[in-house]
Amino acid sequence: KAGVTQTPRYLIKTRGQQVTLSCSPISGHRSVSWYQQTPGQGLQFLFEYFSETQRNKGNFPGRFSGRQFSNSRSEMNVSTLELGDSALYLCASSWRLAGEETQYFGPGTRLLVL
Amino acid sequence: AQSVTQLGSHVSVSEGALVLLRCNYSSSVPPYLFWYVQYPNQGLQLLLKYTTGATLVKGINGFEAEFKKSETSFHLTKPSAHMSDAAEYFCAVSEKGGSEKLVFGKGTKLTVNP
Repeated sequence: KAGVTQTPRYLIKTRGQQVTLSCSPISGHRSVSWYQQTPGQGLQFLFEYFSETQRNKGNFPGRFSGRQFSNSRSEMNVSTLELGDSALYLCASSWRLAGEETQYFGPGTRLLVL
Repeated sequence: AQSVTQLGSHVSVSEGALVLLRCNYSSSVPPYLFWYVQYPNQGLQLLLKYTTGATLVKGINGFEAEFKKSETSFHLTKPSAHMSDAAEYFCAVSEKGGSEKLVFGKGTKLTVNP
């Protein structure tokens, strides 16, 4: 079974631009979560989507948004990029069923903001 | 709120020696506990998890961890380190029956010396 895929793997943007990252979950998984990883702050939860609805949201500004499609694929968008948004963005998927709470991670998208 | 503390941001062991990575958690509700490993320029790979049942859990690559409720700990061990174990290890907690949001520790970078 194919794992979680994320595109693109690497991205360079300049301050003020916006960016969209894509995540395709493991087949059958209906929950997709996004995390930001930086050397200073570590791994931080951004948001979770389940059945096209945002279920949980982390403590990030409104410039960070996401959505989920009917096929469970998810995108996250960051508008008005800042230098501090440079990070590895990780997507994780799960069944979101009792007894199957494990999240499986993709390889990440490394974003560099100049 | 949940939190995770990993003692030691860097751990160095000799090949063949015992690996012990420490994790303590704080949770107001029964937790699910996870260990993930991250190799350079990759995403997170699940090593093992505790959700319910047996408190000693075995994972991939010879790793195991024991959930100790009284000590609020979930330390990761491996009897004999291998060069290929060199990576960064993350302990994470989520709420049993609640949000699937993972709260991560800051990570421990494991170095294995020949």
